[in-house]
Amino acid sequence: GNSVTQMEGPVTLSEEAFLTINCTYTATGYPSLFWYVQYPGEGLQLLLKATKADDKGSNKGFEATYRKETTSFHLEKGSVQVSDSAVYFCALEYGNKLVFGAGTILRVKS
Amino acid sequence: IAGITQAPTSQILAAGRRMTLRCTQDMRHNAMYWYRQDLGLGLRLIHYSNTAGTTGKGEVPDGYSVSRANTDDFPLTLASAVPSQTSVYFCASSEFRGSVQYFGPGTRLTVT
Repeated sequence: GNSVTQMEGPVTLSEEAFLTINCTYTATGYPSLFWYVQYPGEGLQLLLKATKADDKGSNKGFEATYRKETTSFHLEKGSVQVSDSAVYFCALEYGNKLVFGAGTILRVKS
Repeated sequence: IAGITQAPTSQILAAGRRMTLRCTQDMRHNAMYWYRQDLGLGLRLIHYSNTAGTTGKGEVPDGYSVSRANTDDFPLTLASAVPSQTSVYFCASSEFRGSVQYFGPGTRLTVT
């Protein structure tokens, strides 16, 4: 079946550090891939997406590249801010079903 | 402001009681969804609706029911709550099944 595996958190970084949150997936066929972000006390918001191999999604300084050969969609940001502290969810969509990873908590210290 | 509203924000409920979580969207989206969020498990789909008048079962439908009488509203009912239904519940909508989903702020439910 389809599934998403994310690195366990929490991830704790200092402001301006480089961020990587790993995400790998298992899917039959060619899914669309997403990163959602959940700020404290709020619902999920779409951060970025990629719909086919080698596509790069980007938004708010975050980037992720759809790597079919490694079945990965790692989230990166060059310089994190305290305001980036949130829970990040990797997800895939295939056959009109959205499957989420367990989520990774990111804490950024000033 | 366009978006999704959920009510209540939080609720403590005695086991065996009936509870309806409300969800309303004003974006005229065709598809709507209910998820539960549990620590370490991410979000899991409970029920969905592709369009008004139709519903379908998700990954974890047992103990829950939904209805979709119109485009805007998608209530989730727990007929007889059990402690394992303690969770945070999110409603979402999308223009069509398969397009980007937009999420409400969530309802935190505790069943004692």
